[in-house]
Amino acid sequence: QVQVVESGGGVVQPGRSLRLSCAASGFIFSSYAMHWVRQAPGKGLEWVAVISYDGRNTYYADSVKGRFIISRDNSKNTLYLQMDSLRTEDTAVHHCARSVSYVPSGAFDIWGQGTMVTVSS
Amino acid sequence: QSVLTQPPSVSAAPGQKVTISCSGSTSNIGTNDVAWYQQLPGTAPKLLIFEDNERPSGIPDRLSGSKSGTSATLDITGLQTGDEADYYCATWDGSLRAVVFGGGTRLTVL
Repeated sequence: QVQVVESGGGVVQPGRSLRLSCAASGFIFSSYAMHWVRQAPGKGLEWVAVISYDGRNTYYADSVKGRFIISRDNSKNTLYLQMDSLRTEDTAVHHCARSVSYVPSGAFDIWGQGTMVTVSS
Repeated sequence: QSVLTQPPSVSAAPGQKVTISCSGSTSNIGTNDVAWYQQLPGTAPKLLIFEDNERPSGIPDRLSGSKSGTSATLDITGLQTGDEADYYCATWDGSLRAVVFGGGTRLTVL
């Protein structure tokens, strides 16, 4: 079935790095823009980043710009999020999500269950 | 402080109708499509509405979306206890070059 499954979360100290992965299956991964969206404990949804279907275009939330890099490997049907210089405020469940539209939008029709990132000393 | 403004909570009785509002600006709702999500506790968000008023397959027609100017609304009629959840609006902001979410609205079915 159509699904995305995140992995790579864990506990990390402030200032360290982590790389998240999102494995897609059941659809033509290379045809869709993909996003990362996170949710801190007890808080609302926060968009993190988007990458176009071909990987040529990326956009980031101001809160992660310069620290996180979104990328994809269409040959492996996998989305990545390289997270550097992690801060305590990055503590959240990180979801990957498939974009509904070819143009930039906030509509995501397939979500993973997420992977928890905890930044703590 | 979210770019899109939603009421923190709404409530209504079973069978009744509830409206959840989402207020933005010309750079986001005013020029781009709005999506709505439902999030049950401990689960991933679920897309309810996209392109302002379109429902994905499987979403019942008692849920509907609309937009006017820089505000959007989600209407839920025939409320059920299973509708108790958090609801979020989202859209693209052309000035920020970012997806923006509302702060979320908790729906209580009394």
